Amino acid sequence: AQSVTQPDIHITVSEGASLELRCNYSYGATPYLFWYVQSPGQGLQLLLKYFSGDTLVQGIKGFEAEFKRSQSSFNLRKPSVHWSDAAEYFCAVGSVNNAGNMLTFGGGTRLMVKP
Amino acid sequence: DAGVIQSPRHEVTEMGQEVTLRCKPISGHNSLFWYRQTMMRGLELLIYFNNNVPIDDSGMPEDRFSAKMPNASFSTLKIQPSEPRDSAVYFCASSPFAGNNEQFFGPGTRLTVL
Repeated sequence: AQSVTQPDIHITVSEGASLELRCNYSYGATPYLFWYVQSPGQGLQLLLKYFSGDTLVQGIKGFEAEFKRSQSSFNLRKPSVHWSDAAEYFCAVGSVNNAGNMLTFGGGTRLMVKP
Repeated sequence: DAGVIQSPRHEVTEMGQEVTLRCKPISGHNSLFWYRQTMMRGLELLIYFNNNVPIDDSGMPEDRFSAKMPNASFSTLKIQPSEPRDSAVYFCASSPFAGNNEQFFGPGTRLTVL
């Protein structure tokens, strides 16, 4: 069965500092990988996704993530954090079977940004 | 497109009452998912449909929960009778059945059972 681990429940960074959120997955085949962001009181919004090809993927809001098969990781990065990035971030791994598409989500990482 | 639409956005009810949550997926999407989010358990998949047919309901907590999708543009999640431990945010998401798994989430319904 597939699973996703986000080791950091909470992270606090200063505005302007760089950010890396960790994500490790377990999946038997080539995974489909996603990062979603959830602002308070909102639904989940897709930041970026990896299906195949270039292992460094660019997303919205200046985020990027790198797929490392050898480490089973898909860490999210941003060079300079803005106060508006404070939110909860979810990593997810997808599977496709004959019946449809499913996502398995990690527990989330709550990001706080200090002024 | 308006995105995934959920109603109501907030629901407060008393224990024992029936609660119905509604979802309109993005037009043309073939898969629909119901999730529950709580502080304790995080984001849990309750049930998902493909082409209006329930595929996997193993996440439905118990028989008090039921979900239907009578057509491609509408789904309901019903709790009867409701209990305080059902208090959570319930999300609906839809996805094109094209093998790329991207799911589009609605804004959620915050349910409070007193």
